[in-house]
Order: sequence, then C-alpha cells, then structure tokens
Amino acid sequence: GDSVTQMEGPVTLSEEAFLTINCTYTATGYPSLFWYVQYPGEGLQLLLKATKADDKGSNKGFEATYRKETTSFHLEKGSVQVSDSAVYFCALPPQGGSEKLVFGKGTKLTVNP
Amino acid sequence: SQTIHQWPATLVQPVGSPLSLECTVEGTSNPNLYWYRQAAGRGLQLLFYSVGIGQISSEVPQNLSASRPQDRQFILSSKKLLLSDSSFYLCAWSEGRTNYGYTFGSGTRLTVV
Repeated sequence: GDSVTQMEGPVTLSEEAFLTINCTYTATGYPSLFWYVQYPGEGLQLLLKATKADDKGSNKGFEATYRKETTSFHLEKGSVQVSDSAVYFCALPPQGGSEKLVFGKGTKLTVNP
Repeated sequence: SQTIHQWPATLVQPVGSPLSLECTVEGTSNPNLYWYRQAAGRGLQLLFYSVGIGQISSEVPQNLSASRPQDRQFILSSKKLLLSDSSFYLCAWSEGRTNYGYTFGSGTRLTVV
C-alpha cells in the first residue's frame, strides 16, 4: 500500500547549519507531496507542497523537490535557526479509495544557538 | 477563508471521568473531519474520521468514540477516562479526497490524573 518513509530523528544542529531531512514514498501514480511542521505544543501546519514531478515547494527558507525517479521529497534548508526547532512530517494525500492522509513518523529537529 | 477551532487547549481530568473535546470548522461545507492522537515524542495516530454527518469510521478500537452531529462539528468523547488516554489530541479537516492536504487545529493537551 501507499507509504511514506522518513529519516529517523532526532536531528540536532547548530544555528546556521545545513539541514536535510530525507523522505521517500510509495504510491500509485504521481500524487502531491507535503511537508508539515509542528512547533512545540502546537498543531501541525502545512510548510510546503509540490503537486507534480520536478516541482519545488518552498516556504520560510525550506525547499523540497519532487523527484519521481527516486520517489523522494527531501526537505532542505541552507541555514537553520533556533526557531526552526520542531517536528517535521512528510505526507501523501489520500490515495485510491482511502480518505486518509499518509504521514511519515516525523523527525524532531533541535537547533542550538 | 476557512478556519478550524479546537477546544479546550489543555485539560486535566480524573480517571473515570467523562471527556468531550470539540472541533468546529468555518468557511467550508461538507468537509472531511479527523481526530488524531499524538503521544509524547511519537508520531500521529488516526483515531476517527468522518466524511459526512453521522458517518464515523474508527481506526483504532479503544476507550474513545466520535460523533458528528452537524456538518462542521466533530466531537471526541469518552465515558470513562483511563490514565493511558493522556495525550495530545488533534482535529483536522480536508476538502475530501483532494491534493490539498489537511488543516489542523491547535490541539488539546489532555492529562488524566
């Protein structure tokens, strides 16, 4: 079935370091792909999305490119800040007859000053 | 624009007491509605979802139930809380089976004592 595999955390970086969080997916066809962010004590927010192959989603300095050849949607940021400390979830929209979003397990990022 | 409201933000309840968490959506009609649970440091667990009034699908058999008395209202309930019900509960909505993803509420931190 459809699934999302996300790199295990936690990830700890120093401020201004480069960030990559890997995400690969299994799905039929070419669905949209999402990254959600959850700041401490809050609900999830849509961070960015890509709706077709080779699309690049971007927001708040984060980027992710939809690579159909490698079925990947890795999240990157060139220079992280302390305020980026959060849990990041990769996700697929509902597929086939399902009504449910498929989430990765989440990657906790801590950025130290 | 669409908004989602979830309350209360925090709740402390004794073991054996009832529970009612409410979620409402504004600015849309016939949304898909979802209840998730997130234990500390863990990923998201889908509890219930609803594609219409009175239509509830349960993902995990447990001490909780859900109801949808109105189109844009989704309620999570329990008759008798257990210590293991302590968690962070999130409500979300989506425009059916689309590529737009979910919009989440701000969550309820439930502590059962």
